[in-house]
Amino acid sequence: AQSVAQPEDQVNVAEGNPLTVKCTYSVSGNPYLFWYVQYPNRGLQFLLKYITGDNLVKGSYGFEAEFNKSQTSFHLKKPSALVSDSALYFCAVRDWLTGGRNKLTFGTGTQLKVEL
Amino acid sequence: DVKVTQSSRYLVKRTGEKVFLECVQDMDHENMFWYRQDPGLGLRLIYFSYDVKMKEKGDIPEGYSVSREKKERFSLILESASTNQTSMYLCASSSAAGGVYEQYFGPGTRLTVT
Repeated sequence: AQSVAQPEDQVNVAEGNPLTVKCTYSVSGNPYLFWYVQYPNRGLQFLLKYITGDNLVKGSYGFEAEFNKSQTSFHLKKPSALVSDSALYFCAVRDWLTGGRNKLTFGTGTQLKVEL
Repeated sequence: DVKVTQSSRYLVKRTGEKVFLECVQDMDHENMFWYRQDPGLGLRLIYFSYDVKMKEKGDIPEGYSVSREKKERFSLILESASTNQTSMYLCASSSAAGGVYEQYFGPGTRLTVT
């Protein structure tokens, strides 16, 4: 079965510093990987995905993610953090089902706190 | 923009009540999903549906059922609510088109069972 792991429950970063939120995956076959963000009392918002191609994927709000096949990782990054980036971040992987049935398996989430 | 709406943001029910959570999407998506979100456990899939009247169990279906009579609407039913079903419930939808796998989420329903 496909799975993702987010090893950090919380990440603290000073505003203006680069941020990294970690995700590792375990899949059979080629991985399809996703990042989502959840602001307080809201649903999840899609940030970016890796399907194939360049290992560096750019997404919304200045975020990017680096796919590393040898380390089975898909870390989320941003060069300069903002206080408004404080939120809960989820990594996800697509499960392989037939016939257009798309299912994602999510990690447990990482709380990002950006402080002044 | 894809829009997924859920019938209630907050809901308080008593133990033993039958509870209906409704979800509607406006993008003609084939796939629809119900998750529950609990601190430290992330999102756990309860049920999903890939077509009208079709459903599949997710990881934690016990105590829940679903209904999909129309393509745009997916309902989650708690036949007899229990306190351990107090949680945030999230609905999502996605296209079955090739290359498009991301899911779009509603705002969530925070259910409290007393």
